[in-house]
Amino acid sequence: GAVVSQHPSWVICKSGTSVKIECRSLDFQATTMFWYRQFPKQSLMLMATSNEGSKATYEQGVEKDKFLINHASLTLSTLTVTSAHPEDSSFYICSAKSEVYGYTFGSGTRLTVV
Amino acid sequence: AQSVTQLDSQVPVFEEAPVELRCNYSSSVSVYLFWYVQYPNQGLQLLLKYLSGSTLVESINGFEAEFNKSQTSFHLRKPSVHISDTAEYFCAVSENQAGTALIFGKGTTLSVSS
Repeated sequence: GAVVSQHPSWVICKSGTSVKIECRSLDFQATTMFWYRQFPKQSLMLMATSNEGSKATYEQGVEKDKFLINHASLTLSTLTVTSAHPEDSSFYICSAKSEVYGYTFGSGTRLTVV
Repeated sequence: AQSVTQLDSQVPVFEEAPVELRCNYSSSVSVYLFWYVQYPNQGLQLLLKYLSGSTLVESINGFEAEFNKSQTSFHLRKPSVHISDTAEYFCAVSENQAGTALIFGKGTTLSVSS
């Protein structure tokens, strides 16, 4: 079946630094990739939708300058949390969509900003 | 835009008892419906999905869900639960259009005790 590799699985960074999270579809090409954020004991909130070679579409309330999304190829999307602060600490999950496999989720990245 | 309502935030049950996790959705167009399960500190696992055809869908581990268009529901059921079913369950919906994201409900915590 389809697999989406997301890494790192966890990261601790200092306040003010930037962190990059990678989401890679293995063995298939994703027409669209999505980034979600999940707070403890809460649901997944859609942050943005990205298509290869075009700018990401951000959901209302998500700062595009803070959460930079790059979708350079049909198999790779990255989310960079710039100038991270403790309130950015969260669980970030990516999802890749393809016509063949539908939605496939990465295993998530636990970001802790100290 | 579509939305998902999971009516129960927590469902405690005893082992071998039946369980139903409720999910209602709203959308102005035809939809696809999904149930995902999430174990602590892990990503999402697809439990089952409805795309078209038979309104009753089943998973390999004994769960089933029935799409009811008139009631806009997609409730998840299992006739006899196990301790290992303890997890967070998310209902999700996407519009029947290319490039649309999954929108998640707030989740239901299923706690199975002996």
